Amino acid sequence: LAKTTQPISMDSYEGQEVNITCSHNNIATNDYITWYQQFPSQGPRFIIQGYKTKVTNEVASLFIPADRKSSTLSLPRVSLSDTAVYYCLVGETGYSTLTFGKGTMLLVSP
Amino acid sequence: NAGVTQTPKFQVLKTGQSMTLQCAQDMNHEYMSWYRQDPGMGLRLIHYSVGAGITDQGEVPNGYNVSRSTTEDFPLRLLSAAPSQTSVYFCASSYSSGSTGELFFGEGSRLTVL
Repeated sequence: LAKTTQPISMDSYEGQEVNITCSHNNIATNDYITWYQQFPSQGPRFIIQGYKTKVTNEVASLFIPADRKSSTLSLPRVSLSDTAVYYCLVGETGYSTLTFGKGTMLLVSP
Repeated sequence: NAGVTQTPKFQVLKTGQSMTLQCAQDMNHEYMSWYRQDPGMGLRLIHYSVGAGITDQGEVPNGYNVSRSTTEDFPLRLLSAAPSQTSVYFCASSYSSGSTGELFFGEGSRLTVL
């Protein structure tokens, strides 16, 4: 299973772009990269998923370099409501093998 | 659409008591799972099911039982609660058991065992 490493915490201000990088040096050929967001007292929520290059949706962008050993979740113009824990998951064989690590606690200040 | 519904939201038990955490989804998802989350930790998989009548153990199954008699429901049973089972429990579901696509979570059930 590909192990992921991401910063424990990050701070930002409203209106800034936030980039959270996840390292996954042992990513396998068939592995996808998925990011989830979790607010206090709520279950995680799917943000974005990708395999290579760039994926963009209405919430975020996901940048994956050619070697796929890392990925960057980009949140444009964050607001206070983006304060949450963000999890990077890597895997292909099934949800039963995915591991939610401790994630990155993003704190957005006014 | 209700999505994934968990009940109860809060529960306090005494050591040795039994209880069932309920989970229901109305999305016709085949895959369902239970996680526990302890303070400052990520989510750890307890049990999962890839379809009605099929269940399997996750990372931390001891002390918990599950069954899947219907596609919609996936209850988690604690037969003899222990303080170490104090945690927040999340149920999740997905269209398939593969890890592509979206995993939908319930709002959680906070359990305290005294």
